[in-house]
Amino acid sequence: AQKVTQAQTEISVVEKEDVTLDCVYETRDTTYYLFWYKQPPSGELVFLIRRNSFDEQNEISGRYSWNFQKSTSSFNFTITASQVVDSAVYFCALSSIYNFNKFYFGSGTKLNVKP
Amino acid sequence: KAGVTQTPRYLIKTRGQQVTLSCSPISGHRSVSWYQQTPGQGLQFLFEYFSETQRNKGNFPGRFSGRQFSNSRSEMNVSTLELGDSALYLCASSPGQSGAKTDTQYFGPGTRLTVL
Repeated sequence: AQKVTQAQTEISVVEKEDVTLDCVYETRDTTYYLFWYKQPPSGELVFLIRRNSFDEQNEISGRYSWNFQKSTSSFNFTITASQVVDSAVYFCALSSIYNFNKFYFGSGTKLNVKP
Repeated sequence: KAGVTQTPRYLIKTRGQQVTLSCSPISGHRSVSWYQQTPGQGLQFLFEYFSETQRNKGNFPGRFSGRQFSNSRSEMNVSTLELGDSALYLCASSPGQSGAKTDTQYFGPGTRLTVL
């Protein structure tokens, strides 16, 4: 079975604060992908990153960074110097590489960034 | 490239009716997946199509069906609507690969279905 847990339902921060969104996953597969998506109020899921289970290197993209640790089955997402435009619901997702694109999503974390 | 488009964006139906939702993938993408998003159940996978063939499906009743056309456009149909079918239905496309391999999926804006 595959499962993704995002324990933080909602987080509120003040602009310019750093914030980390947690993602813990469960899978018996040895080869899988992990994803993060952003869902603004408009509803469309916006792709942020994909990580292969064999690649544990952390990744940084501008103010965004991701920490993948297989030992703890976690794939956490940090936003540095948050901005109001970062306000959205963020989803972590998991899929076996041999799963015909069937994604398992976490329940999402709603991030509120206040000016 | 244009993104994934879904029509209509909003729908209001009554119980017992049926509905058809449409999805046009990103040009060149051959795989289309459908997801249902509700406040209670979150994002749940409905099914995936590649080259007009359904390759995977989630745990939904047979009232939910779909198809894909030769131009990769996809439709999903829900028959005998129930109140619980009210949801945001999201379509996603990916380049698609033969075999079972998973790709990054790119989502459309969704169709918000309300069942009264």
